[in-house]
Amino acid sequence: KQEVTQIPAALSVPEGENLVLNCSFTDSAIYNLQWFRQDPGKGLTSLLLIQSSQREQTSGRLNASLDKSSGRSTLYIAASQPGDSATYLCAVQSDNNDMRFGAGTRLTVKP
Amino acid sequence: ETGVTQTPRHLVMGMTNKKSLKCEQHLGHNAMYWYKQSAKKPLELMFVYSLEERVENNSVPSRFSPECPNSSHLFLHLHTLQPEDSALYLCASSRRTGANSYNEQFFGPGTRLTVL
Repeated sequence: KQEVTQIPAALSVPEGENLVLNCSFTDSAIYNLQWFRQDPGKGLTSLLLIQSSQREQTSGRLNASLDKSSGRSTLYIAASQPGDSATYLCAVQSDNNDMRFGAGTRLTVKP
Repeated sequence: ETGVTQTPRHLVMGMTNKKSLKCEQHLGHNAMYWYKQSAKKPLELMFVYSLEERVENNSVPSRFSPECPNSSHLFLHLHTLQPEDSALYLCASSRRTGANSYNEQFFGPGTRLTVL
């Protein structure tokens, strides 16, 4: 059974810092990995999708990497802004159509 | 209207009530999902529908009954719920491109359900 872990559970940084969020998964047989952002009480916003054959994806100040063999992904956020404050979720899709989410990292960027 | 919409946004119901949650997607996708998000727990996948056929059911109690009448609409029928069923219920959609291959999921804003 696929298990997804996100570290740290919470992170507080001053504005302008570069930061890295970590995601690990136990079963490397995945089809894709997706990073989401969730604001309090709201739905999820897709940030980046990495297919299993890819190593990384970039969108603006965000860069996500995938190392399938070691079961790890990182989300790099450059020049963080207060508007980046949210919970960031990692999810992996496995062979059996299952989609497993981590518990999330709650990010606070202080002005 | 674009994206994935859900109604109602908030719902309070008693344990003996019957209610339904509605989800609609305007993205031309062919797969739809129900998720449950409880406080301090990861999102849990409840049901997956692809081409209006249920392809995944993660041992969800029978008091939750999904319905997918077409590729754009998804319902979750609720009856005799328990207080522990109080949670945020999220709907998502994606495009299925192969037997076991689904593309990026797009989520609705969720329905905040409270069971008294």
